[in-house]
Amino acid sequence: DIQMTQSPSTLSASVGDRVTITCRASQSISSWLAWYQQKPGKAPKLLIYKASSLKGGVPSRFSGSGSGTEFTLTISSLQPDDFATYYCQHYDSSPLTFGGGTKVEIK
Amino acid sequence: QVQLQESGPGLVKPSETLSLTCTVSGDSLSTYYWSWIRQPPGKGLEWIGFVYYIGSTDYNPSLKSRVTISVDTSKNQFSLRLNSVTAADTAVYYCARGSTVANFIFDYWGQGALVTVSS
Repeated sequence: DIQMTQSPSTLSASVGDRVTITCRASQSISSWLAWYQQKPGKAPKLLIYKASSLKGGVPSRFSGSGSGTEFTLTISSLQPDDFATYYCQHYDSSPLTFGGGTKVEIK
Repeated sequence: QVQLQESGPGLVKPSETLSLTCTVSGDSLSTYYWSWIRQPPGKGLEWIGFVYYIGSTDYNPSLKSRVTISVDTSKNQFSLRLNSVTAADTAVYYCARGSTVANFIFDYWGQGALVTVSS
């Protein structure tokens, strides 16, 4: 199985901050990586696919980059609605696996 | 508007079988891959497996010996059965649709169903 490791596990930030979350794969997954946002009590929401492609309707302050084994999700200017937990997921091969999550909380 | 809705018992006894159904509205089961994903309370996400509308499946090896996912296109539903459950299977269970841009990422999700394993 491909292991996905996210860092940090928790991130404290203020509105307007630039935020970066890292996701590392235990082996190369090319660009087969997605990012999700999850709020408490809700299902995850797809933000980014193929490492850097923004899903339609997702604000442009979200961006993704990387390939191979190292990936980042960046929020250019954190908004109140962005406080949530973020997960990466690879889809290079079966089984699909998720990172452990990064909780973005209010500083 | 595509909607998914999980249904099934919220409480299952240890060693018994967990059964959930996902009813899809606003879309046909045909063409897409349909998955089950779970999330233990306060923890991360675990992919359980998927079914394609023609009935082909793939499962997470960690659960493969206990899992069956099936599809009923006439009812626009797909289902999950997990045998021999223990407390470790307590989780919110989500059904989800493979996206139009890639089969194995998820663009529509159900609201989730909490299943507790307890006697």
